[in-house]
Amino acid sequence: GENVEQHPSTLSVQEGDSAVIKCTYSDSASNYFPWYKQELGKRPQLIIDIRSNVGEKKDQRIAVTLNKTAKHFSLHITETQPEDSAVYFCAATPSGYALNFGKGTSLLVTP
Amino acid sequence: EPEVTQTPSHQVTQMGQEVILRCVPISNHLYFYWYRQILGQKVEFLVSFYNNEISEKSEIFDDQFSVERPDGSNFTLKIRSTKLEDSAMYFCASSVRPGDTEAFFGQGTRLTVV
Repeated sequence: GENVEQHPSTLSVQEGDSAVIKCTYSDSASNYFPWYKQELGKRPQLIIDIRSNVGEKKDQRIAVTLNKTAKHFSLHITETQPEDSAVYFCAATPSGYALNFGKGTSLLVTP
Repeated sequence: EPEVTQTPSHQVTQMGQEVILRCVPISNHLYFYWYRQILGQKVEFLVSFYNNEISEKSEIFDDQFSVERPDGSNFTLKIRSTKLEDSAMYFCASSVRPGDTEAFFGQGTRLTVV
């Protein structure tokens, strides 16, 4: 089955700096790669996603890049703010139904 | 904004007891899912459901688990005989279609098996 690896597990940045989280996947059939943000005790919420026919997507301070050949994708957050502090999960969907999540990155943005 | 709702928010049960977790997916969504998250760990897929059938299930979803859509709005997860290791946050999710669209998650049910 699909195996999604996510790094780093924790990331601490100063407010205003950029944060980058990287994921790799194993199943070349995967074609959809969402990123979810989960604040403590709350539900995961989609922040950005990318499909396999696109190499990069941007939404304000958030961008995602995908390299299908290398089977990796990354989340980039620029001009980080304290409210960006949360756990971020990447995911991949090889089957079209299940989201296979990475283990998460705990991002802390310090003022 | 429409959202997935789950009840109860917290359930405590004794080992060996049956529990039913309930979810109301977003009304125009056709695909429904259950995920679980053990404290401090990643979100794990359990099962997907479409057109009154299971479309995919993980190794976690063994014979102790079942899902049902008993009416036009509810989607339930039943655990027949709970074990200590079933303690987790259970998330219901729904989507318009599978594979390349957002799955909207409910707020979760925290299940504690004692």
